Amino acid sequence: AQKITQTQPGMFVQEKEAVTLDCTYDTSDPSYGLFWYKQPSSGEMIFLIYQGSYDQQNATEGRYSLNFQKARKSANLVISASQLGDSAMYFCAMREFNTGGFKTIFGAGTRLFVKA
Amino acid sequence: EAGVTQFPSHSVIEKGQTVTLRCDPISGHDNLYWYRRVMGKEIKFLLHFVKESKQDESGMPNNRFLAERTGGTYSTLKVQPAELEDSGVYFCASSQGRLANYGYTFGSGTRLTVV
Repeated sequence: AQKITQTQPGMFVQEKEAVTLDCTYDTSDPSYGLFWYKQPSSGEMIFLIYQGSYDQQNATEGRYSLNFQKARKSANLVISASQLGDSAMYFCAMREFNTGGFKTIFGAGTRLFVKA
Repeated sequence: EAGVTQFPSHSVIEKGQTVTLRCDPISGHDNLYWYRRVMGKEIKFLLHFVKESKQDESGMPNNRFLAERTGGTYSTLKVQPAELEDSGVYFCASSQGRLANYGYTFGSGTRLTVV
């Protein structure tokens, strides 16, 4: 069974608007971390944001925020005030700390297109 | 600080040939990971080194893949003999320490095409 599901293969957003990239996950480990990475056309993977399963508040990093809904097992990435440079592939990922060691599991990604 | 460096950036080889991918992690990062993304699919874990030791190699697809990290610095991933299904982008990443919220620092990947 897939552990990380990203149901949006592609998304369009108008510049300066906010966009939500969906991510759901599946785990029985009570201790886990959720990550989002960005992959621009240059190819490198850039770590954006982290949310721990025991964190009470949603993580925020600048224009990125993670909408963590634990009961629903979702960890959506919200990008506010989209910029043209946000056009990239975005990957949701999870690490299971009790059972998964340092292994990180990735979703299939969502390609975001920001329109001028 | 220099990032994670991977070489080559692209490689096109014929089925049956051998290819060696190299990864130079960030200096001082004990943890080094190899991942692979086959076109359009999720990025899959291959293995994890802590210094020169293989901590977890559960993701290695078969014995045609051999990873090494002699001296705990750079790592190589050799595919011998290469098959068509080995085509994809191979990512290397490194991280420091055991803190849970450390995201990886990834390299730009090696795009391998087996024809």
